[in-house]
This record gives sequence, structure tokens and C-alpha cells, in this order.
Amino acid sequence: KQEVTQIPAALSVPEGENLVLNCSFTDSAIYNLQWFRQDPGKGLTSLLLIQSSQREQTSGRLNASLDKSSGRSTLYIAASQPGDSATYLCAVGGANSKLTFGKGITLSVRP
Amino acid sequence: KAGVTQTPRYLIKTRGQQVTLSCSPISGHRSVSWYQQTPGQGLQFLFEYFSETQRNKGNFPGRFSGRQFSNSRSEMNVSTLELGDSALYLCASSLQRGSYNEQFFGPGTRLTVL
Repeated sequence: KQEVTQIPAALSVPEGENLVLNCSFTDSAIYNLQWFRQDPGKGLTSLLLIQSSQREQTSGRLNASLDKSSGRSTLYIAASQPGDSATYLCAVGGANSKLTFGKGITLSVRP
Repeated sequence: KAGVTQTPRYLIKTRGQQVTLSCSPISGHRSVSWYQQTPGQGLQFLFEYFSETQRNKGNFPGRFSGRQFSNSRSEMNVSTLELGDSALYLCASSLQRGSYNEQFFGPGTRLTVL
């Protein structure tokens, strides 16, 4: 059974800091890994999708990496801004379109 | 292109009632999945529909059911509501089956059971 872990559960950083959010998973037989952002009371916004054959993906100030063999992914956020404050969720894609989610990291960027 | 839409956005029911939630996927998307989000359990997979057929099911009781129509719109039904069913219900759509496809989520339906 796939398990996804995100530690720490919460993070507070000053504006402008570069930061790394970690995600680990137990079963390396994955199809892909997706990072999402969730604002309070809202749905999920897809940030980046990494296929199992890829090592990283970039979008603007975001860069996500995937190391299947070690069961790890990281989301790098450059020059953080208060608007980046949200909960970031990592989800591993398995067979039949099922996503297994971590509990998320709640990020607070202080002005 | 319009995103995934869910109706209603908020719902209040009492124990024992039943409820139906609706999800309209992104135009052209044929796969719809449903997830339950609670503070304690996080996001948990309910089921996936593709071409009007349930293709995959999570570990939820039979009170939770769903269906998909020929236009790919999907509904989820919960019968005999319990207090523990209070949650944010999210649906996601993708172009095809299989996890090679990016999944896009709707805003969710907030269900409160009193």
C-alpha cells in the first residue's frame, strides 16, 4: 500500500527566502507525481506534474524533482512571496488514475 | 476553457438523509475521480469513472456510490448520512484513464452533516 509523507506539517519563512518542500513515498512503482496548492476552503490547483520517466519539471519560480529509486520528491520555491502562503500537497499517481496524497505542508511567508 | 465545476458548493444535511453531488469535468475530459478531504484523514480516493463505468474504487462503505453520464458529467451519492461524512468532496478530471494524465480538481462541495 502506497504511503506518502510530507514533513514538516507547517513552515514559516520570511519573504524572499528560497525554500524546499519535501515529499517521500514508500512504493517506487509510480506512474507520476503531482504537486498541488490548496488555499483555505478551496479546491486544489495543479502546480507541476512529473512523469515517472522524468527527473524534474519547472514552472516559473517553481521546480520539482523526482527520485523514484529513493522514493523522494522536492518542490523548490524561489524568492518566496506572501502570496505563496498556502498548503502544498504532494500526490503520487498509481494504477487506474488513483492519486495517493500526503497530508500537506502549510506554508506561511511573512512580509 | 472552463475548469472543473461542482455543485452545490455548500450543503447542510442531517443524519440519516441522503445527498447527491454533481461534477462537470473539463470539456473533452473523459475520466472523473472523486476524493473526500477531512482534517484527520486528509485526501482519500473514493472512485473513478471512465466512459460511464466505475473503473476503480477506494475503501469506503457501500453508502457511497456514483455514476457517470454519456457527457462525462458525474454524480456522487451518499445515503444514510453520518456525522463523520462531513467533509470537502472534490472531483478531478483528466483526459484519459491512467496515471500519465494530469488531474485537474474542482472547487469542491463542503458537506456538513448535523
